[in-house]
Order: sequence, then structure tokens, then C-alpha cells
Amino acid sequence: EAGVAQSPRYKIIEKRQSVAFWCNPISGHATLYWYQQILGQGPKLLIQFQNNGVVDDSQLPKDRFSAERLKGVDSTLKIQPAKLEDSAVYLCASRSLRRGLNTEAFFGQGTRLTVV
Amino acid sequence: AQKVTQAQTEISVVEKEDVTLDCVYETRDTTYYLFWYKQPPSGELVFLIRRNSFDEQNEISGRYSWNFQKSTSSFNFTITASQVVDSAVYFCALSEVVTGGGNKLTFGTGTQLKVEL
Repeated sequence: EAGVAQSPRYKIIEKRQSVAFWCNPISGHATLYWYQQILGQGPKLLIQFQNNGVVDDSQLPKDRFSAERLKGVDSTLKIQPAKLEDSAVYLCASRSLRRGLNTEAFFGQGTRLTVV
Repeated sequence: AQKVTQAQTEISVVEKEDVTLDCVYETRDTTYYLFWYKQPPSGELVFLIRRNSFDEQNEISGRYSWNFQKSTSSFNFTITASQVVDSAVYFCALSEVVTGGGNKLTFGTGTQLKVEL
């Protein structure tokens, strides 16, 4: 079974520029998450999708961050314009609902963003 | 609000030593799930174990063991006879049901484990 795929692995941009990250979850996984992990900290949830609907985006800075999950499969996360404090690893994760709500989530390798 | 505390920021041990990683959690839910994930230098979070709040039986998997104590809100992780390959950041996480369905994981700040020869 293929894992969660993310691209790019690394990205360096200047502040005020835009950037987009892509995630392809494990096939059949209805739930998809985007987490932000700042160096030295634990991952923090940005947004959660169930199929193509948003379940929780309470911690997403909506003035600059946006995310979509068209057709309930792939997802993109965009930052526009980027700030220095957005430098972090952005992790995508997916989870199957077939065995209930509290199964483990599977994570991709993340995209390391550096804003200079 | 739910909270997960991993007080140990970094632990260094010599190979073959046993090491315990601490995790303390706070929740108002009566039903909840706890997880441990490993994050090697490659960056991917690797699932290790899931435990629900009604199951306080300790679990052993090879060199790994977990001690869940509801009375102290702790879910500690022990690696026996540590190896260099165990070097990674380990995260404890707590599941939380969100309005609208589904749930999310709240992570601790992680413990960096370094196993040296």
C-alpha cells in the first residue's frame, strides 16, 4: 500500500511570496489533515477534511492560508503572502474511517518551508 | 482544552541501556485515545501504538513497552536495550473529537532520543 505522498520536499521563498504544497493521501482514506510543525515543537493541526468537506479549520490563519480538497482525494495548501514565521515543516496525514474515528493517522514526509 | 506534556526535551543514552519517555495528558473526555509516534530524521511520523481510555493493560511489542496509568494521566513509553536506530524524536498524542465530526490529534512537544555507541 502506497503511503501519503507530498511535494515538494523542500521550498525556499522570500517573504510576501506565495507557495503551494500538494498532498496525495492513501487510497480510500476519507480524512485528510494538514499539520504545521515548527522546529522544536509538536505538529499543530491547521485543517481537517472529511472527503471534500472541511471539518475543522479553527487554527488555520485564514488571512493568508487556504486549502482545498477537490473530489475528496488530493489536497493543496497555499500560503499567500508568506511571512518569516511560516517557516516550518508542513505535514499531510490521512486516516481511514472504516475502523472508526480513532484509528491511527498516516503521515507523509512533509514539506520543509523556509521563508527568508 | 486538551493538552499533552512531554517534559523531557532530550535524552541521551548509551546503546543497550533502557530508556523511558514520559507523557502526561489532560482531557475532560471520558473516552479518549492516546498515541505514540516516532519521527526519524527523514521527517515522517511513524505510528507506534494506540491505546483507548478503557484499556489500561500494559502492552509490549518487542523492545517497546507502554505503561498507561489513568490515575496519574500518564502514558509512558519504554525502550529496552536501546539501539542507535532508535534515535529519533518521539511524540505522544491525544485524540479529540471535533464539532462536525471526526477527530484530531493533539501532540506533545516531543522528546529527542539520542542513542550513542
